[in-house]
Amino acid sequence: GAVVSQHPSWVICKSGTSVKIECRSLDFQATTMFWYRQFPKQSLMLMATSNEGSKATYEQGVEKDKFLINHASLTLSTLTVTSAHPEDSSFYICSARDHKGPNQPQHFGDGTRLSIL
Amino acid sequence: GQNIDQPTEMTATEGAIVQINCTYQTSGFNGLFWYQQHAGEAPTFLSYNVLDGLEEKGRFSSFLSRSKGYSYLLLKELQMKDSASYLCAVRVDYKLSFGAGTTVTVRA
Repeated sequence: GAVVSQHPSWVICKSGTSVKIECRSLDFQATTMFWYRQFPKQSLMLMATSNEGSKATYEQGVEKDKFLINHASLTLSTLTVTSAHPEDSSFYICSARDHKGPNQPQHFGDGTRLSIL
Repeated sequence: GQNIDQPTEMTATEGAIVQINCTYQTSGFNGLFWYQQHAGEAPTFLSYNVLDGLEEKGRFSSFLSRSKGYSYLLLKELQMKDSASYLCAVRVDYKLSFGAGTTVTVRA
């Protein structure tokens, strides 16, 4: 089946550090990738939609300048959490949809657990 | 916004059947997905319905009624490894909106 690779899987860093997370579709091309955030015992909340070759679309309340998204190729999207603070600590998950057809499901990466000290 | 409701928790015995209901009120509809998520892990795709009716995939089945805004996930012959959170998600355009998830605990 479709595989989405996400890394790093775990990041612990000091407040003020910028953290970059990569999301790759390994066996299919993805014109669209999605970035979610999940707090403990809560559901996934969509942060932004990453579009290959164009600007990302952010959900209401998500700061564009804080969460920088780049989707430079059909298989790679990156999320950079700039100047991270403890309240940014969360589980970040990317997903990708095979661009072959509109009914393809989203496939998720393994997630990145971010802990800001 | 989108409104997707599912029960918070369910408990069942190994070998039994459990049905997880999901109701939704959304601004559009391009399909309903069920995902399984084990604690600390990312969701894995289970099933997808875009037309009314039942989709069967081994021990898992999913049903959809678009007129009622209702779906259920049926888990048969429960195994201990089925203990997880089950997420109902509705696709509107190309975005998925998730319910809060139902935590299923399977007891021996």
